[in-house]
Amino acid sequence: DSGVTQTPKHLITATGQRVTLRCSPRSGDLSVYWYQQSLDQGLQFLIHYYNGEERAKGNILERFSAQQFPDLHSELNLSSLELGDSALYFCASSVWQDTQYFGPGTRLTVL
Amino acid sequence: AQKVTQAQTEISVVEKEDVTLDCVYETRDTTYYLFWYKQPPSGELVFLIRRNSFDEQNEISGRYSWNFQKSTSSFNFTITASQVVDSAVYFCALLHGSSNTGKLIFGQGTTLQVKP
Repeated sequence: DSGVTQTPKHLITATGQRVTLRCSPRSGDLSVYWYQQSLDQGLQFLIHYYNGEERAKGNILERFSAQQFPDLHSELNLSSLELGDSALYFCASSVWQDTQYFGPGTRLTVL
Repeated sequence: AQKVTQAQTEISVVEKEDVTLDCVYETRDTTYYLFWYKQPPSGELVFLIRRNSFDEQNEISGRYSWNFQKSTSSFNFTITASQVVDSAVYFCALLHGSSNTGKLIFGQGTTLQVKP
């Protein structure tokens, strides 16, 4: 158990819908990262938040957004969902530029 | 270019065999970090090791060992006396020390199957 929690574990929804993925980092970690794992793209960095502020963006679609709250938990919002958004979404946390520990992931299926 | 290449897509071995997973990276940074993660069939990503660019000492942890060679930009992972529980996808990853993005660049992964 990495200490990073993600909810829900599975999510099935329809095209055009909006979903929210939630992540709680390890105790003491100020950095939260989101990654997408798909069969064709592999593991891709989406976004990094540090202590409530956005620090870096990767190949994140405009339909996707994230935030980190004062209690350090983070949410990834995915809207206008398409079939191609089906993937495993990971959250990770770290103490700044240190080892990233990953949560169990949320498997999103868009039908 | 910043890139991680794991040329072996799939490896199949019989239990108790030794197996080496290759990882080659590309970076222009002098400060960087290399990682190995394991993704078992259950799906989570499990951290195995972190190495910084200034420390080329090889590391051994039980049946696992890592060989870091800057001269060939490689960070290979060897499992000695493999076991069925080692069956998983293994990812090598690169983090640039100077970028401050925290962005991990992953290889495509190597699927290891250990047969009884």
